[in-house]
Amino acid sequence: EVQLVESGGGLVQPGGSLRLSCPASGFIVRNNYMNWVRQAPGKGLEWVSVIYSDGSTFYADSVKGRFTISRDNSKNTVFLQMNSLRVADTAVYYCATGRWSDFWGQGTLVTVSS
Amino acid sequence: DIQMTQSPSSLSASVGDRVTITCRASQGISNFLAWFQQRPGKAPKLLIYDASTLQSGVPSRFSGSGSGTDFTLTISSLQPEDVATYYCQKYNRAPFTFGPGTKVDIK
Repeated sequence: EVQLVESGGGLVQPGGSLRLSCPASGFIVRNNYMNWVRQAPGKGLEWVSVIYSDGSTFYADSVKGRFTISRDNSKNTVFLQMNSLRVADTAVYYCATGRWSDFWGQGTLVTVSS
Repeated sequence: DIQMTQSPSSLSASVGDRVTITCRASQGISNFLAWFQQRPGKAPKLLIYDASTLQSGVPSRFSGSGSGTDFTLTISSLQPEDVATYYCQKYNRAPFTFGPGTKVDIK
């Protein structure tokens, strides 16, 4: 059974950093597209970043230069390092696997506030 | 970057009605389009990928069509459990942009 369980969210001040983790079970992370998607309170879904099986990474313009996606193949886990956080980054962050995001985690809430 | 739009932004229909939601891409994306359902407080759920392929376990009342720039999600007979917001997403190449969503409720 495929499972994704995000963690690492919390309250952080503007300008701060957080690292989100998404350990996977039931499939091999390095063989799949792994996405991060976020949803601000009361808003729609916003794609954030993807890491391909070949290690290529891409980002939304809104996070480029501040966020970094990576994976640890030995832990079968994908990460999202978030630096220089802004109030506008407040959202539930989901990881999702597959080119068309067929499996999602339950999400982790990131709140950026002073 | 390619922009995704959806219409309507919300709709209200009766149980048993046929419901159609439209998604449009600002440039052609072939059939690299997925549809998601998100119930309140829940993670999104994949309904359809490759524009018209039903994800395993999804009821057959859901169907998708289209190619290029214009796509449609149809619910053939609306059920109470279909109350949700529906999103399209392109995945031909990054960024994998979502549409703004269509909120569906029961009249």
